[in-house]
Amino acid sequence: DAGVIQSPRHEVTEMGQEVTLRCKPISGHDYLFWYRQTMMRGLELLIYFNNNVPIDDSGMPEDRFSAKMPNASFSTLKIQPSEPRDSAVYFCASTRGATNEKLFFGSGTQLSVL
Amino acid sequence: GNSVTQMEGPVTLSEEAFLTINCTYTATGYPSLFWYVQYPGEGLQLLLKATKADDKGSNKGFEATYRKETTSFHLEKGSVQVSDSAVYFCALSDRIYNQGGKLIFGQGTELSVKP
Repeated sequence: DAGVIQSPRHEVTEMGQEVTLRCKPISGHDYLFWYRQTMMRGLELLIYFNNNVPIDDSGMPEDRFSAKMPNASFSTLKIQPSEPRDSAVYFCASTRGATNEKLFFGSGTQLSVL
Repeated sequence: GNSVTQMEGPVTLSEEAFLTINCTYTATGYPSLFWYVQYPGEGLQLLLKATKADDKGSNKGFEATYRKETTSFHLEKGSVQVSDSAVYFCALSDRIYNQGGKLIFGQGTELSVKP
């Protein structure tokens, strides 16, 4: 299996621009998670989906952030407009089943907002 | 709410030294506990887990025992190698709401092993 695939690996953009991060979960996994990692706040859960439906988005920092999962093999995290404080590494992770607590993480997207 | 607290890093050790990374948790109910490892430039990987009190998780020479009385899950390894240099995350699962895989992570502890 190819694992969880994220793109791009690195993104550099200017403040005010729209940023879209992409994730392809492992085939057969029905849970998908978006995490953000920063030095100050560590690893934060932003949102997660079950069977393509958002279950808990309480970690999404503000309305500038949105996430979608149009089908079982693709999810996006969008920031519009982006701000310098959004600079972080964004991870996507997936797993199968409500009782399977082993998450498989992608390699992350390093986002820099100038 | 549920939370995880890890010892601050970075931790720097010589090869073959003994490693302990402390982790304590606060939780209602009976969470599962985990250690994840993040190598440079990569995502997190599950290192080991324990699902109930007194369980010992182990993998690749690392061990951790679920201690309910002290709410701890300390990570240990008897002899570290340079290849163990990474960031280690303690985590617990929020089982109360049966949210399947929703993990709460500690801040991470960076380990650097020198030859």
